[in-house]
Amino acid sequence: DGGITQSPKYLFRKEGQNVTLSCEQNLNHDAMYWYRQDPGQGLRLIYYSQIVNDFQKGDIAEGYSVSREKKESFPLTVTSAQKNPTAFYLCASSMGQGFSDTQYFGPGTRLTVL
Amino acid sequence: GDSVTQMEGPVTLSEEAFLTINCTYTATGYPSLFWYVQYPGEGLQLLLKATKADDKGSNKGFEATYRKETTSFHLEKGSVQVSDSAVYFCALSGTTDSWGKLQFGAGTQVVVTP
Repeated sequence: DGGITQSPKYLFRKEGQNVTLSCEQNLNHDAMYWYRQDPGQGLRLIYYSQIVNDFQKGDIAEGYSVSREKKESFPLTVTSAQKNPTAFYLCASSMGQGFSDTQYFGPGTRLTVL
Repeated sequence: GDSVTQMEGPVTLSEEAFLTINCTYTATGYPSLFWYVQYPGEGLQLLLKATKADDKGSNKGFEATYRKETTSFHLEKGSVQVSDSAVYFCALSGTTDSWGKLQFGAGTQVVVTP
């Protein structure tokens, strides 16, 4: 089945540690996205990538980093510089045709800082 | 910049009741409009979309019409079921400010009781 996988489902981090969240898609989509969701709020865009080896900052990129070495993969690193990283993280992908492009979401990773 | 405003929840309904969730937007240009649904602990699923004025999106008994004159995209369902309990997000994409990126509302929680 085609889709987006995220791992792990739950992740616990000690303060001062970097952690990396995995996102893989087999939909042959060009564009990929990372969102953060906090309780009672909508999703906020962290980073996005329209093509391999290229990515742009979203609205809340501080304290996060990404890479896009393969079309299928778009890992997100939450660094120790992110002051409040506890949240639900969602990865998405789309064909990358821009306007009216539908995004498809993975199941999410819940990150908790201990 | 672009923005989406949704009615606050939670919205609590009895089974077979009529559901309306209001959504209005502010955007430069002519956005595409989306409704996504999120079940507890899961990622988002596309419910329906509309790409131009007066388009009606529909899926699983849900409908929404793109009203440019009122900048609205209200979601409706004629008879809800317990399984419709979820958080519903209105979103827009495709304006000059937001190539391919989704701008989300805060989400509306819907609780349907038997």
